[in-house]
Amino acid sequence: GAGVSQSPRYKVAKRGQDVALRCDPISGHVSLFWYQQALGQGPEFLTYFQNEAQLDKSGLPSDRFFAERPEGSVSTLKIQRTQQEDSAVYLCASSLNRGPADTQYFGPGTRLTVL
Amino acid sequence: AQTVTQSQPEMSVQEAETVTLSCTYDTSESDYYLFWYKQPPSRQMILVIRQEAYKQQNATENRFSVNFQKAAKSFSLKISDSQLGDAAMYFCAYSGGGADGLTFGKGTHLIIQP
Repeated sequence: GAGVSQSPRYKVAKRGQDVALRCDPISGHVSLFWYQQALGQGPEFLTYFQNEAQLDKSGLPSDRFFAERPEGSVSTLKIQRTQQEDSAVYLCASSLNRGPADTQYFGPGTRLTVL
Repeated sequence: AQTVTQSQPEMSVQEAETVTLSCTYDTSESDYYLFWYKQPPSRQMILVIRQEAYKQQNATENRFSVNFQKAAKSFSLKISDSQLGDAAMYFCAYSGGGADGLTFGKGTHLIIQP
Protein backbone atom coordinates (compact mmCIF):
# COMPACT_ATOMS: atom_id res chain seq x y z
CA GLY A 1 0.00 0.00 0.00
CA ALA A 2 0.96 3.65 -0.25
CA GLY A 3 3.27 5.06 2.36
CA VAL A 4 3.36 8.52 3.89
CA SER A 5 3.63 11.23 1.26
CA GLN A 6 4.60 14.86 1.64
CA SER A 7 4.41 17.84 -0.66
CA PRO A 8 6.12 19.84 -1.84
CA ARG A 9 9.42 17.98 -1.66
CA TYR A 10 11.34 21.26 -1.89
CA LYS A 11 10.25 24.77 -0.99
CA VAL A 12 12.20 27.99 -1.26
CA ALA A 13 10.74 30.99 0.52
CA LYS A 14 11.86 34.53 1.02
CA ARG A 15 12.19 35.66 4.58
CA GLY A 16 8.84 36.86 5.82
CA GLN A 17 6.73 34.69 3.53
CA ASP A 18 4.20 32.18 4.79
CA VAL A 19 4.53 28.52 3.77
CA ALA A 20 2.27 25.47 4.01
CA LEU A 21 3.59 21.92 4.03
CA ARG A 22 1.29 18.98 3.43
CA CYS A 23 1.37 15.44 4.79
CA ASP A 24 -0.74 12.49 3.63
CA PRO A 25 -0.43 9.71 6.22
CA ILE A 26 -0.98 6.04 5.64
CA SER A 27 -4.70 5.41 5.32
CA GLY A 28 -6.29 4.44 8.62
CA HIS A 29 -3.41 5.62 10.79
CA VAL A 30 -4.68 7.34 13.89
CA SER A 31 -1.51 9.10 14.92
CA LEU A 32 0.39 11.76 12.98
CA PHE A 33 3.63 13.46 13.95
CA TRP A 34 5.66 16.36 12.61
CA TYR A 35 9.42 16.63 13.09
CA GLN A 36 12.01 19.22 12.16
CA GLN A 37 15.43 18.02 11.01
CA ALA A 38 18.18 20.61 10.81
CA LEU A 39 21.20 19.91 8.63
CA GLY A 40 23.42 17.27 10.20
CA GLN A 41 21.07 16.66 13.11
CA GLY A 42 18.50 14.10 14.13
CA PRO A 43 14.80 14.91 13.78
CA GLU A 44 13.20 16.88 16.59
CA PHE A 45 9.57 16.47 17.58
CA LEU A 46 7.24 19.35 16.78
CA THR A 47 3.65 18.22 17.28
CA TYR A 48 1.32 15.22 17.51
CA PHE A 49 -2.24 14.50 16.39
CA GLN A 50 -4.55 11.69 17.37
CA ASN A 51 -7.15 11.75 14.61
CA GLU A 52 -8.13 15.42 14.32
CA ALA A 53 -7.11 16.36 17.86
CA GLN A 54 -3.77 18.04 18.37
CA LEU A 55 -2.72 16.48 21.66
CA ASP A 56 0.82 17.75 21.91
CA LYS A 57 2.38 20.86 20.42
CA SER A 58 5.18 21.20 22.91
CA GLY A 59 7.88 21.07 20.25
CA LEU A 60 6.65 23.93 18.10
CA PRO A 61 9.47 26.49 18.30
CA SER A 62 7.31 29.61 18.16
CA ASP A 63 3.79 30.86 17.62
CA ARG A 64 4.66 31.28 13.95
CA PHE A 65 4.27 27.51 13.60
CA PHE A 66 0.78 26.12 13.30
CA ALA A 67 -0.44 22.62 12.40
CA GLU A 68 -3.85 21.20 11.67
CA ARG A 69 -5.49 17.92 10.72
CA PRO A 70 -9.15 18.92 10.38
CA GLU A 71 -10.60 15.61 9.15
CA GLY A 72 -8.22 13.28 10.86
CA SER A 73 -6.27 12.36 7.76
CA VAL A 74 -4.27 14.96 5.79
CA SER A 75 -2.26 17.40 7.89
CA THR A 76 -0.78 20.79 7.09
CA LEU A 77 2.10 22.47 8.86
CA LYS A 78 2.05 26.22 8.35
CA ILE A 79 4.90 28.55 9.10
CA GLN A 80 4.14 32.24 9.13
CA ARG A 81 6.68 35.01 8.49
CA THR A 82 9.46 32.53 7.79
CA GLN A 83 12.92 33.20 9.19
CA GLN A 84 16.28 31.83 8.07
CA GLU A 85 16.46 29.61 11.14
CA ASP A 86 13.34 27.82 9.88
CA SER A 87 15.42 26.28 7.07
CA ALA A 88 15.30 22.54 7.66
CA VAL A 89 13.73 19.32 6.46
CA TYR A 90 10.23 18.84 7.84
CA LEU A 91 9.31 15.20 8.30
CA CYS A 92 5.86 13.77 8.80
CA ALA A 93 5.24 10.34 10.31
CA SER A 94 2.15 8.29 11.04
CA SER A 95 1.40 5.27 13.17
CA LEU A 96 -1.58 2.95 13.35
CA ASN A 97 -2.47 3.58 16.97
CA ARG A 98 -1.41 5.77 19.83
CA GLY A 99 1.36 4.83 22.18
CA PRO A 100 5.12 4.55 22.49
CA ALA A 101 5.10 0.99 21.18
CA ASP A 102 3.68 1.90 17.82
CA THR A 103 6.13 2.06 14.94
CA GLN A 104 6.17 5.38 13.14
CA TYR A 105 6.36 5.41 9.34
CA PHE A 106 8.01 8.44 7.84
CA GLY A 107 7.44 10.41 4.68
CA PRO A 108 10.26 11.68 2.45
CA GLY A 109 10.19 15.15 3.99
CA THR A 110 9.96 18.68 2.69
CA ARG A 111 13.21 20.61 2.47
CA LEU A 112 12.49 24.25 3.29
CA THR A 113 15.07 26.87 2.42
CA VAL A 114 14.44 30.41 3.62
CA LEU A 115 16.49 33.06 1.84
CA ALA B 1 13.71 14.69 29.67
CA GLN B 2 15.04 11.74 27.78
CA THR B 3 18.23 12.10 25.77
CA VAL B 4 19.83 9.87 23.13
CA THR B 5 23.53 10.01 22.36
CA GLN B 6 25.28 8.61 19.31
CA SER B 7 28.99 9.19 19.81
CA GLN B 8 30.14 8.12 16.35
CA PRO B 9 29.43 10.80 13.74
CA GLU B 10 30.83 8.54 11.01
CA MET B 11 31.79 4.90 10.62
CA SER B 12 33.38 3.11 7.72
CA VAL B 13 33.40 -0.62 7.02
CA GLN B 14 34.49 -2.90 4.22
CA GLU B 15 31.76 -4.65 2.28
CA ALA B 16 30.92 -8.05 3.81
CA GLU B 17 32.42 -7.09 7.17
CA THR B 18 30.59 -6.48 10.43
CA VAL B 19 30.09 -3.06 12.00
CA THR B 20 28.61 -1.93 15.30
CA LEU B 21 26.97 1.45 15.82
CA SER B 22 26.73 2.77 19.37
CA CYS B 23 23.84 4.42 21.14
CA THR B 24 23.30 5.37 24.76
CA TYR B 25 20.25 6.99 26.29
CA ASP B 26 19.17 8.54 29.52
CA THR B 27 15.79 7.91 31.10
CA SER B 28 14.23 7.40 34.49
CA GLU B 29 11.49 5.22 33.01
CA SER B 30 11.42 1.44 33.26
CA ASP B 31 9.09 0.85 30.32
CA TYR B 32 10.09 2.25 26.96
CA TYR B 33 10.96 1.34 23.39
CA LEU B 34 14.09 1.78 21.34
CA PHE B 35 14.45 1.96 17.58
CA TRP B 36 17.10 2.12 14.92
CA TYR B 37 16.09 4.01 11.79
CA LYS B 38 18.00 4.19 8.51
CA GLN B 39 17.92 7.34 6.40
CA PRO B 40 19.40 6.89 2.91
CA PRO B 41 20.33 9.95 0.85
CA SER B 42 16.75 10.06 -0.52
CA ARG B 43 15.84 11.05 3.02
CA GLN B 44 12.95 8.68 3.81
CA MET B 45 13.41 7.14 7.24
CA ILE B 46 13.06 3.37 7.32
CA LEU B 47 12.70 1.32 10.49
CA VAL B 48 15.55 -1.16 10.83
CA ILE B 49 14.85 -2.79 14.16
CA ARG B 50 13.05 -2.17 17.44
CA GLN B 51 13.46 -3.34 21.03
CA GLU B 52 11.00 -3.36 23.91
CA ALA B 53 12.72 -2.53 27.19
CA TYR B 54 10.78 -5.21 29.06
CA LYS B 55 12.24 -7.91 26.81
CA GLN B 56 15.58 -9.33 27.83
CA GLN B 57 16.16 -11.03 24.51
CA ASN B 58 17.98 -8.90 21.96
CA ALA B 59 16.02 -8.19 18.77
CA THR B 60 17.28 -9.51 15.44
CA GLU B 61 16.16 -8.84 11.87
CA ASN B 62 18.15 -10.82 9.32
CA ARG B 63 21.63 -9.20 9.19
CA PHE B 64 20.71 -6.62 11.83
CA SER B 65 20.83 -7.27 15.56
CA VAL B 66 21.02 -5.20 18.69
CA ASN B 67 22.91 -5.46 21.95
CA PHE B 68 20.51 -4.04 24.53
CA GLN B 69 22.04 -3.43 27.94
CA LYS B 70 19.25 -1.97 30.08
CA ALA B 71 21.31 -1.31 33.19
CA ALA B 72 23.97 0.47 31.17
CA LYS B 73 21.32 2.23 29.04
CA SER B 74 23.08 1.11 25.91
CA PHE B 75 21.51 0.03 22.62
CA SER B 76 24.03 -0.77 19.89
CA LEU B 77 23.25 -1.96 16.37
CA LYS B 78 25.31 -4.68 14.71
CA ILE B 79 25.20 -5.05 10.95
CA SER B 80 26.64 -8.31 9.68
CA ASP B 81 27.82 -8.97 6.12
CA SER B 82 27.64 -5.26 5.27
CA GLN B 83 26.29 -4.45 1.84
CA LEU B 84 26.62 -1.35 -0.32
CA GLY B 85 22.92 -0.68 0.18
CA ASP B 86 23.49 -0.33 3.92
CA ALA B 87 25.23 3.00 3.37
CA ALA B 88 23.08 5.67 5.05
CA MET B 89 22.59 7.75 8.17
CA TYR B 90 21.51 5.63 11.10
CA PHE B 91 19.49 7.14 13.90
CA CYS B 92 18.84 5.69 17.31
CA ALA B 93 15.49 6.72 18.78
CA TYR B 94 13.69 6.42 22.11
CA SER B 95 9.96 6.28 22.77
CA GLY B 96 8.29 6.37 26.14
CA GLY B 97 7.96 8.31 29.37
CA GLY B 98 4.69 9.92 28.37
CA ALA B 99 6.20 11.79 25.45
CA ASP B 100 4.27 11.53 22.22
CA GLY B 101 7.14 11.78 19.79
CA LEU B 102 10.41 9.98 19.31
CA THR B 103 13.64 11.35 20.74
CA PHE B 104 16.46 10.89 18.24
CA GLY B 105 20.22 10.89 18.48
CA LYS B 106 22.30 12.96 16.09
CA GLY B 107 22.96 10.01 13.83
CA THR B 108 25.91 8.01 12.53
CA HIS B 109 26.91 8.23 8.88
CA LEU B 110 27.78 4.70 7.74
CA ILE B 111 30.09 4.34 4.76
CA ILE B 112 30.50 0.98 3.04
CA GLN B 113 33.82 0.54 1.25
CA PRO B 114 33.58 -1.78 -1.79
